[in-house]
Amino acid sequence: EVQLVESGGGLVQPGGSLRLSCVASGFTFSGYWMSWVRQAPGKGLEWVANIKHDGSEEYYVDSVRGRFTISRDNAKDSLYLQMNNMRADDTAVYYCAQKRGDYWGQGTLVTVSS
Amino acid sequence: DVVMTQSPLSLSVTLGQPASISCRSSQSLLYSNGNTYLNWFQQRPGQSPRRLIYEVSKWDSGVPDRFSGSGSGTDFTLRISRVEAEDVGIYYCMQGTHWPWTFGQGTKVEVK
Repeated sequence: EVQLVESGGGLVQPGGSLRLSCVASGFTFSGYWMSWVRQAPGKGLEWVANIKHDGSEEYYVDSVRGRFTISRDNAKDSLYLQMNNMRADDTAVYYCAQKRGDYWGQGTLVTVSS
Repeated sequence: DVVMTQSPLSLSVTLGQPASISCRSSQSLLYSNGNTYLNWFQQRPGQSPRRLIYEVSKWDSGVPDRFSGSGSGTDFTLRISRVEAEDVGIYYCMQGTHWPWTFGQGTKVEVK
């Protein structure tokens, strides 16, 4: 059974940083593109970033490029999202997803507020 | 960015009746490898999204066959042949052909 478990969410001040983690199980993690998708409270879904199975390619939505960094550790079956210079509009539930949304985690809530 | 436009944004359906959601993209979703990366997701209240349909019309494992997807190019449709109580939620189309991948606004389905 595929499982994706996110952690690392919480309250952070504007301009602050946070690192999200996602641990995968039930599939060969190193063989798949992975993604972060977010959902602001009461709003729709927004694809944030993608990373190739070997980490050699990364893609970001314009609103986070230069502030967020997606990375992975295939030895640990783990995906990460380093978020810097955070803004109020980054407040959302952040989901880890396999490939094009084949599977999703339960999400972790990030709140940016003073 | 590719804009995904869903209609209607809200749907109230009598139990056992059919329902249909339209999704239009601002560009063709046909990828260079011949695949069309148009997915449909269901998000039940308080839950993570779940993929129902991928590449326009392929069912994900465990998805009831009352759900079906169709379309090509820029016009796509999700159909529910007979709505059940468990189908309540928000349905999103999503394109995975052009980066950044984008979602429709979502269609809220209620059951009468």
